[in-house]
Amino acid sequence: KAGVTQTPRYLIKTRGQQVTLSCSPISGHRSVSWYQQTPGQGLQFLFEYFSETQRNKGNFPGRFSGRQFSNSRSEMNVSTLELGDSALYLCASSLAGSAEQFFGPGTRLTVL
Amino acid sequence: AQKVTQAQTEISVVEKEDVTLDCVYETRDTTYYLFWYKQPPSGELVFLIRRNSFDEQNEISGRYSWNFQKSTSSFNFTITASQVVDSAVYFCALSEFYTGANSKLTFGKGITLSVRP
Repeated sequence: KAGVTQTPRYLIKTRGQQVTLSCSPISGHRSVSWYQQTPGQGLQFLFEYFSETQRNKGNFPGRFSGRQFSNSRSEMNVSTLELGDSALYLCASSLAGSAEQFFGPGTRLTVL
Repeated sequence: AQKVTQAQTEISVVEKEDVTLDCVYETRDTTYYLFWYKQPPSGELVFLIRRNSFDEQNEISGRYSWNFQKSTSSFNFTITASQVVDSAVYFCALSEFYTGANSKLTFGKGITLSVRP
């Protein structure tokens, strides 16, 4: 069974640009969560989607947004990029009703 | 608010030594989940274990064992006879207990474990 896949794996952008990251969950998993990992702040929860609805949101500015499609694939978007948005963005999926979240390899975003 | 503290930041051991990674948590919830994840250099978080707050049984899986003590709000992880492949960053995490939902994880800062040959 394929794991969680994230594309692209690496991305370099400049300040002010916007970026879209993609996550394909494990087949059958309908819940997708996004996390940001930085050396200073560690791993922080961004948001969680289930059946195309955002169910939970972390403490991030409105520049961070996401969505989920009917096939459970999810995208997150960051607009007006800032240097501090440089991070590893991790996506996790889980079965409905299960507490175990399975993570993808992440997208490493560098903002110059 | 939930909080996870991993006071150790870096640990270095020689292969075959036993090592314990500490985790202390804070929550006002009476029911919750605790987790350990491993992050190798590749970056992917690998799920190791989940523990429900109402199940204080310790668990052993091969060289790995976990000690959950609700009285001290601790969920420590021991690797017996460590190996070089155990070198990674280890995260302890806490989530609320919801049925039918994927709840957000609150992570500790992680412990970098280096196992030298």
